Amino acid sequence: QQQVKQSPQSLIVQKGGISIINCAYENTAFDYFPWYQQFPGKGPALLIAIRPDVSEKKEGRFTISFNKSAKQFSLHIMDSQPGDSATYFCAAQKNTGFQKLVFGTGTRLLVSP
Amino acid sequence: DSGVTQTPKHLITATGQRVTLRCSPRSGDLSVYWYQQSLDQGLQFLIQYYNGEERAKGNILERFSAQQFPDLHSELNLSSLELGDSALYFCASSVSAGEGEQFFGPGTRLTVL
Repeated sequence: QQQVKQSPQSLIVQKGGISIINCAYENTAFDYFPWYQQFPGKGPALLIAIRPDVSEKKEGRFTISFNKSAKQFSLHIMDSQPGDSATYFCAAQKNTGFQKLVFGTGTRLLVSP
Repeated sequence: DSGVTQTPKHLITATGQRVTLRCSPRSGDLSVYWYQQSLDQGLQFLIQYYNGEERAKGNILERFSAQQFPDLHSELNLSSLELGDSALYFCASSVSAGEGEQFFGPGTRLTVL
């Protein structure tokens, strides 16, 4: 119940295309869903986050879509660029007290020029 | 640069040995988190400290221990090292103890030979 399942494991997208990464969770107590971006040799960095009271959040080329009934959320990267090539992690957290972030297994995105 | 510092950057040691990893959180952050990142298991939460006290525990082995000092820096101690402990160890910090952005350091790459 504490798991967050992420797919695909790896993704190759052409420059200018749309990258889509999906995550699913089981624990309905989760109510904070961030996405982290990690470049090789660096630590993860927060990209965008959403709470379940909205179905979509957009920041520039990055959009999170959230489906509360299906317990799924996804990251869309519009107009993907080679500089977006990185590993992306979804995560989930309960907003009660001291709660850990539960991470998905990561998606390695390669945007070809 | 997230503002979180970790030392050393790389560590090579032998099985059975003990090592200490150090983390300095961002200025003003009271929470420190430790994560282990390996190829086959993704980002695994180990332990969280808030203002000097242990607040949450993940899948941390009994051979591992951590503490947070009065100046808020934290150390992760790994003992009786095994080959399987080879991984990237990340420290993250945040202002609060619960929900919110965690800022990750650059990590320590531990290699156990």
